[in-house]
Amino acid sequence: GAVVSQHPSRVICKSGTSVKIECRSLDFQATTMFWYRQFPKQSLMLMATSNEGSKATYEQGVEKDKFLINHASLTLSTLTVTSAHPEDSSFYICSARGLAGGSNNYEQYFGPGTRLTVT
Amino acid sequence: QKEVEQDPGPLSVPEGAIVSLNCTYSNSAFQYFMWYRQYSRKGPELLMYTYSSGNKEDGRFTAQVDKSSKYISLFIRDSQPSDSATYLCAMSERNYGQNFVFGPGTRLSVLP
Repeated sequence: GAVVSQHPSRVICKSGTSVKIECRSLDFQATTMFWYRQFPKQSLMLMATSNEGSKATYEQGVEKDKFLINHASLTLSTLTVTSAHPEDSSFYICSARGLAGGSNNYEQYFGPGTRLTVT
Repeated sequence: QKEVEQDPGPLSVPEGAIVSLNCTYSNSAFQYFMWYRQYSRKGPELLMYTYSSGNKEDGRFTAQVDKSSKYISLFIRDSQPSDSATYLCAMSERNYGQNFVFGPGTRLSVLP
């Protein structure tokens, strides 16, 4: 399957600082990228959807000024958690959707996730 | 009623058993159906992708879609301890430009 990378895989930051997480589709062009967060033993919670070159669409209850999303190219999206607080500690997973591996279907592939701990 | 429902488990089976994982949904417009496997502390991995009703087989895995009943299944034959993970179903109305709706996931444990 197609490869989606995330960096960093794990980050610890102090309360009040900002953290940037990168998501890249390595072998296909992602027309759409999604950002999820996942708490332990819970399902994925969609935070926002972004299409290349346009503003992200945030899900209800997700603060767009706190979770800044930039989808600068068809292979890169970034999520910046601004003024992080301990309650922002979570597993953040990006996902990229596009035509990969010769498929005719717009399949959705996930990155390996980034574990954020805010102290 | 949630749009996609899935038994959260945990489901424990002995090694070699046939596993049946299921999702029900309410939106009759869903046409694209996916199954993902997620190991602990990892991102989900796409296992199967099917369109409309019918069966699709890939190795030990078989995906089944029954649109008339709004019910999809993933069967795992000859289950292995390495199959222990959370399995998420996902579905979408369109192939393009829309987020998939995910089920909450079923935790599976295959005991050696």
